[in-house]
Amino acid sequence: DAKTTQPNSMESNEEEPVHLPCNHSTISGTDYIHWYRQLPSQGPEYVIHGLTSNVNNRMASLAIAEDRKSSTLILHRATLRDAAVYYCILIGNFNKFYFGSGTKLNVKP
Amino acid sequence: DAGVIQSPRHEVTEMGQEVTLRCKPISGHDYLFWYRQTMMRGLELLIYFNNNVPIDDSGMPEDRFSAKMPNASFSTLKIQPSEPRDSAVYFCASSFTGQANTEAFFGQGTRLTVV
Repeated sequence: DAKTTQPNSMESNEEEPVHLPCNHSTISGTDYIHWYRQLPSQGPEYVIHGLTSNVNNRMASLAIAEDRKSSTLILHRATLRDAAVYYCILIGNFNKFYFGSGTKLNVKP
Repeated sequence: DAGVIQSPRHEVTEMGQEVTLRCKPISGHDYLFWYRQTMMRGLELLIYFNNNVPIDDSGMPEDRFSAKMPNASFSTLKIQPSEPRDSAVYFCASSFTGQANTEAFFGQGTRLTVV
């Protein structure tokens, strides 16, 4: 399975935008880019996914590089409730999720 | 739907005892996954099922671990005998299809402590 590389941790101020990067240079043409987050003491939660085009939903936006070797999860206005570990995952034809170490996001009031 | 339901939420057992973790996936979901999370190793996929059939159990650490899915609404993960190194949070997840553009839904997890 293709691997992803994320910074171990990031910090943001409340109500400011946050850009969480992910590198996936070995991505294959059929891999979808998924983002999940895990709040403290909870199970992972789906955030967003995309294939080639940028995607928006109520939680976040996903910007995908033209060569698809990197992507960025954008939280438009971080809140304290967004403090979590964010996982960038590549998923191929079969729905097996392999989680990397993720980025721990700390949001300061 | 109440989401993926796992029980118990917490389990403390003595080394050598049998432990059974339970999972009820979301109705209509054809795929079910079992994960284990520890500080050292992060989230690890143990096994997944499609239509109640185990598809890939390569992540199961050893023969002490077994998983079953007797029907579409119930799965168990059993550890016999349990050891202290099995202490972890175990998550169950389900998804509607196996297609790569499908989201998975996770349960709240079972925190297992083996003393």
